[in-house]
Amino acid sequence: QQQVKQSPQSLIVQKGGISIINCAYENTAFDYFPWYQQFPGKGPALLIAIRPDVSEKKEGRFTISFNKSAKQFSLHIMDSQPGDSATYFCAAVAGYSTLTFGKGTMLLVSP
Amino acid sequence: GAGVSQTPSNKVTEKGKYVELRCDPISGHTALYWYRQSLGQGPEFLIYFQGTGAADDSGLPNDRFFAVRPEGSVSTLKIQRTERGDSAVYLCASSGGGTGELFFGEGSRLTVL
Repeated sequence: QQQVKQSPQSLIVQKGGISIINCAYENTAFDYFPWYQQFPGKGPALLIAIRPDVSEKKEGRFTISFNKSAKQFSLHIMDSQPGDSATYFCAAVAGYSTLTFGKGTMLLVSP
Repeated sequence: GAGVSQTPSNKVTEKGKYVELRCDPISGHTALYWYRQSLGQGPEFLIYFQGTGAADDSGLPNDRFFAVRPEGSVSTLKIQRTERGDSAVYLCASSGGGTGELFFGEGSRLTVL
């Protein structure tokens, strides 16, 4: 049972463009939604996270949009750069349980 | 170092052999997690330690997998009678301070021939 569904599987964006990655969940007990960034050969690293009491969180070029009623959240990368090329994972957790990850989106930002 | 350290970085073994993978978490982090990541997939939860005890081992796929953390710091993931399907990157993460953020190591890539 896949608790967090992520799309698209891969994404190619031109430099300067907007990258958008979407996730959907079923478990209404989830109360923390982080996004992790992973470069080849490295472990995932926390990029940005949101709790369901707000609809949007912005940190620099990265924004999470959260729609509680639709049980969806998305990551927007503004002014995408080649250095943003990586695999991005959405995740969710309920209370003190453990993180459940989506399957990942491989982003390629072309120069 | 300041980050999560995992050894070995690469391990090649034969089917049926026993392997141990080690994780040294960030100093002071009480929570430690093991995840498994197959090619093209997200990390899959295996086991979570709070201190020395396994708080949640529901992700261990079968009894060939076992993990310990005897002194509440370093953890070892043990896999008996390895199978080709065990081939994956095994990621360790630690957390502390109540932020919920997991800090991952670079992983141990296991290949079972």
